[in-house]
Amino acid sequence: LAKTTQPISMDSYEGQEVNITCSHNNIATNDYITWYQQFPSQGPRFIIQGYKTKVTNEVASLFIPADRKSSTLSLPRVSLSDTAVYYCLVGDKGGYSTLTFGKGTMLLVSP
Amino acid sequence: NAGVTQTPKFQVLKTGQSMTLQCAQDMNHNSMYWYRQDPGMGLRLIYYSASEGTTDKGEVPNGYNVSRLNKREFSLRLESAAPSQTSVYFCASVRGAREYEQYFGPGTRLTVT
Repeated sequence: LAKTTQPISMDSYEGQEVNITCSHNNIATNDYITWYQQFPSQGPRFIIQGYKTKVTNEVASLFIPADRKSSTLSLPRVSLSDTAVYYCLVGDKGGYSTLTFGKGTMLLVSP
Repeated sequence: NAGVTQTPKFQVLKTGQSMTLQCAQDMNHNSMYWYRQDPGMGLRLIYYSASEGTTDKGEVPNGYNVSRLNKREFSLRLESAAPSQTSVYFCASVRGAREYEQYFGPGTRLTVT
């Protein structure tokens, strides 16, 4: 089970791009990288998932280097409503039972 | 679609009491999960059900039991509540066992005194 390490907290201002990096040095060949967002008093919400290179959707981009030992979630032009905890998870798509949420990164966006 | 619903939203129990947390999804998902989240912590998996009729233990199953009543419903039971079970409980569902896009319910905030 690949362990992930991410910053405990980050601060940003409205309109800035935010990059949250996650380290997963012992990622396995079959592992995918998934990011979730959690607002206070709510359940987590899926943001994006990738295996290698770059994935982009309407919410965020996910950059994964060739060695896949880290990944970066990029949030373009954040707003106050992006203040939340962001979780990086790594696991085999077939091993759903091993989906593990760490403590995540608390992103605080200020005006 | 309501997505994933959980009842109750809040509950206070005394030590030793029992209760069942209810979860239902209307997305025709096959797999369902129960997590707990303690203050300042990530989510920890209690039990999961890969498909109707099957259940398996997660990371922290002690003190809990589950029932996959049908494809829609997955309940979590505390037989004898303890203060250590004070937490927020989240139910989630996913379309298939090989998917990672889990849909979460709003949570149940449980306090055991």
